[in-house]
Amino acid sequence: DIQMTQSPSSLSASVGDRVTITCRASQGISNSLAWYQQKPGKAPKLLLYAASRLESGVPSRFSGSGSGTDYTLTISSLQPEDFATYYCQQYYSTPQTFGQGTKVEIK
Amino acid sequence: QVQLVESGGGVVQPGGSLRLSCAASGFTFSSYGMHWVRQAPGKGLEWVAFIRYDGSNKYYADSVKGRFTISRDNSKNTLYLQMNSLRAEDTAVYYCAKDPYDILTGYFDYWGQGTLVTVSS
Repeated sequence: DIQMTQSPSSLSASVGDRVTITCRASQGISNSLAWYQQKPGKAPKLLLYAASRLESGVPSRFSGSGSGTDYTLTISSLQPEDFATYYCQQYYSTPQTFGQGTKVEIK
Repeated sequence: QVQLVESGGGVVQPGGSLRLSCAASGFTFSSYGMHWVRQAPGKGLEWVAFIRYDGSNKYYADSVKGRFTISRDNSKNTLYLQMNSLRAEDTAVYYCAKDPYDILTGYFDYWGQGTLVTVSS
């Protein structure tokens, strides 16, 4: 199975900050990477797929980049509604696997 | 709009069985692959199973293989997960999730609200 490692596990940030979350795969995944946002008690929501493609309806302050084994989710200007846990997920091979999550908290 | 509504969760004893359902609406259910994904309390996400749009191919996580069975009834727009020989480590919120395509792409563009399964004596 491909292991996905996110960093950091948690971070504190203020409204308006630029936030970056990284995700590293244990082997190359050819941009087969998705990012999800999950708020407490809610289902995850798809933000990006194919590493950098924004899902319809997702604000443009979210962006993704990377290649090979290393990927990044960036929130350009953190908004109050962005405080949540973020997960990366590889779908290069089955079983699809997730990172352990990054909790973004209010500073 | 796409809606996925899970049901069938509850408390079950170790070794017991449970069947989860996921009622789909707002899209052509018979044209898309579907998944089950679970999340243990306070933990991360774990993919469980996938079924192709026509039910012809199914894939499972090793942790549930041989115990869980995914199926679908396209005439009823409903996805199922039959869970047998349940263990304490199967305790989780179970989400059904839609694949963007008919075959296995592997990511999830819509999710249900989840149903909680608790395995405990």
